[in-house]
Amino acid sequence: NAGVMQNPRHLVRRRGQEARLRCSPMKGHSHVYWYRQLPEEGLKFMVYLQKENIIDESGMPKERFSAEFPKEGPSILRIQQVVRGDSAAYFCASSPPSSADEQFFGPGTRLTVL
Amino acid sequence: GDSVTQMEGPVTLSEEAFLTINCTYTATGYPSLFWYVQYPGEGLQLLLKATKADDKGSNKGFEATYRKETTSFHLEKGSVQVSDSAVYFCALREGGTSYGKLTFGQGTILTVHP
Repeated sequence: NAGVMQNPRHLVRRRGQEARLRCSPMKGHSHVYWYRQLPEEGLKFMVYLQKENIIDESGMPKERFSAEFPKEGPSILRIQQVVRGDSAAYFCASSPPSSADEQFFGPGTRLTVL
Repeated sequence: GDSVTQMEGPVTLSEEAFLTINCTYTATGYPSLFWYVQYPGEGLQLLLKATKADDKGSNKGFEATYRKETTSFHLEKGSVQVSDSAVYFCALREGGTSYGKLTFGQGTILTVHP
């Protein structure tokens, strides 16, 4: 059973470009969480999604950031018009419907904005 | 809101030394508490957890006890190995929630020398 997969592992964008980060949850997991880790800080919750639904987006910046988890395919975290302050590691985690405590993390995508 | 505070790092120890990483929390209600470990270039892995007061979580020689009276969940290991070198994160999940939104501490870097 493959773990949580994220791609790309490293992403470089220039200011003003768009960044798309993908997360494929573990098989059988329908719950996805996105976290951001800024340099020298812990992980901060961004958004929680179930298939086709955003359940809690209380940690998402109000502008430029969006997330989706379609019926088919991976979850996508999209950042429009990136700025240098968006440079961070973005981690995705998934869990089965039956156990919120059983969260499995992907290896992360490290975004660098030039 | 909920918060987690970890001891400042980095922590450097010799092999077979005793390890303590302090973690305290602020939360309403009765949160679940976790320790995650992150090895270089990898995602976070759940190390241990405790879901109610006085519970002790343990795994791979690591232990932590949920102390409600001191709002603490300190991580301990009696004899560390070089392979334990990693970043350790303390986290909580708010009590009464049905999903796994986690609040993390800032992480503690542990380096173990032979």
